[in-house]
Amino acid sequence: GGIITQTPKFLIGQEGQKLTLKCQQNFNHDTMYWYRQDSGKGLRLIYYSITENDLQKGDLSEGYDASREKKSSFSLTVTSAQKNEMAVFLCASSRTAETLYFGSGTRLTVL
Amino acid sequence: TQTVSQSDAHVTVFEGDSVELRCNYSYGGSIYLSWYIQHHGRGLQFLLKYYSGNPVVQGVNGFEAEFSKSDSSFHLRKASVHWSDSAVYFCAVRGNNRIFFGDGTQLVVKP
Repeated sequence: GGIITQTPKFLIGQEGQKLTLKCQQNFNHDTMYWYRQDSGKGLRLIYYSITENDLQKGDLSEGYDASREKKSSFSLTVTSAQKNEMAVFLCASSRTAETLYFGSGTRLTVL
Repeated sequence: TQTVSQSDAHVTVFEGDSVELRCNYSYGGSIYLSWYIQHHGRGLQFLLKYYSGNPVVQGVNGFEAEFSKSDSSFHLRKASVHWSDSAVYFCAVRGNNRIFFGDGTQLVVKP
């Protein structure tokens, strides 16, 4: 078995701040994903990466940057946090875009 | 364009009842459908998948789903629910190396 670790679990930021979320996986999966989940809503894809140093934009990439410097890690940066923003950011990995394995999420609050 | 529609945002049943959570999809390519469960405060966990063969697929904890090409559906069922089945359930369809999720159905199981 493997595990996906997201850090931090809770992130509180100020308006306009640049914030970075990290994700590590030990499944040795090629593909990794970042999704945003708003309260009571489904998941929207921000970025995904099919291999080391690859980046693909999802439906919600504006306002975010991503980095995949190693196969096992995928980081997401909120380039300028929006006031009163609250969401959960979920990282996932998969072998071939079939079954996704998710982390527990990072809960973002912007004051 | 791939879309996933879960028509019921909330479903409430009593322990021991049967339940069906509905999912309809639209996708023109080869089919890969799945269901995920999300307990409060956690990431999503894979339940089951369909991509070919027997249209009724079995998952963990007594869940099953039935694929219907004519109805473009992939409904999730359980014959007798337990209080621990209370969670949000997401239907998903794969397309273009990505997975698209529905908005989720919150299942509440009352004792």
